[in-house]
Amino acid sequence: AQSVTQLGSHVSVSEGALVLLRCNYSSSVPPYLFWYVQYPNQGLQLLLKYTSAATLVKGINGFEAEFKKSETSFHLTKPSAHMSDAAEYFCAVSEIQGAQKLVFGQGTRLTINP
Amino acid sequence: EAQVTQNPRYLITVTGKKLTVTCSQNMNHEYMSWYRQDPGLGLRQIYYSMNVEVTDKGDVPEGYKVSRKEKRNFPLILESPSPNQTSLYFCASRFGTRDEQFFGPGTRLTVL
Repeated sequence: AQSVTQLGSHVSVSEGALVLLRCNYSSSVPPYLFWYVQYPNQGLQLLLKYTSAATLVKGINGFEAEFKKSETSFHLTKPSAHMSDAAEYFCAVSEIQGAQKLVFGQGTRLTINP
Repeated sequence: EAQVTQNPRYLITVTGKKLTVTCSQNMNHEYMSWYRQDPGLGLRQIYYSMNVEVTDKGDVPEGYKVSRKEKRNFPLILESPSPNQTSLYFCASRFGTRDEQFFGPGTRLTVL
């Protein structure tokens, strides 16, 4: 069975600082991994995805994530935070084969301080 | 414009009054799914459908029904809503197994 753990339900950074949102997964088979962002009162939007190609994945809005199999991690980073990055971020995992289910982490709310 | 639509966006109802939340996608996606989002729990899958007339339970199916009579529509039915079904509901669709899911705007349901 798959599972996702996001470390830190709330993360606060200053504008211009590094953003690091942590995600660890558990999967018995090679996974697909996703980061979604949810802006206030909106649905989820895909930031980036890992589907067994390059381990460093670049997404929209300057975000990127690195798949580390040895650490079962898929942390999300952005070098310089912008006020518009304030949102809730969800990490999700699905299995490569028969991927009916997308399992989400609990979410991390990112706050940007001016 | 490619999108997933849900109606209604907001609904306040009372315990036991049957309701349906509609979901429609215009991307010819085979896979559709319903999730509920609750604080601190992330999104949990209620039901999913691999294709027309093919549906299966997710992690939290109790109290919900779905149907998939047409490829584009996947309504969520609450036959007898209870207060513990107060939540934010999202419909999503996907083309292939490698692809990301596209989410609707959400339906905020309150059951009194």
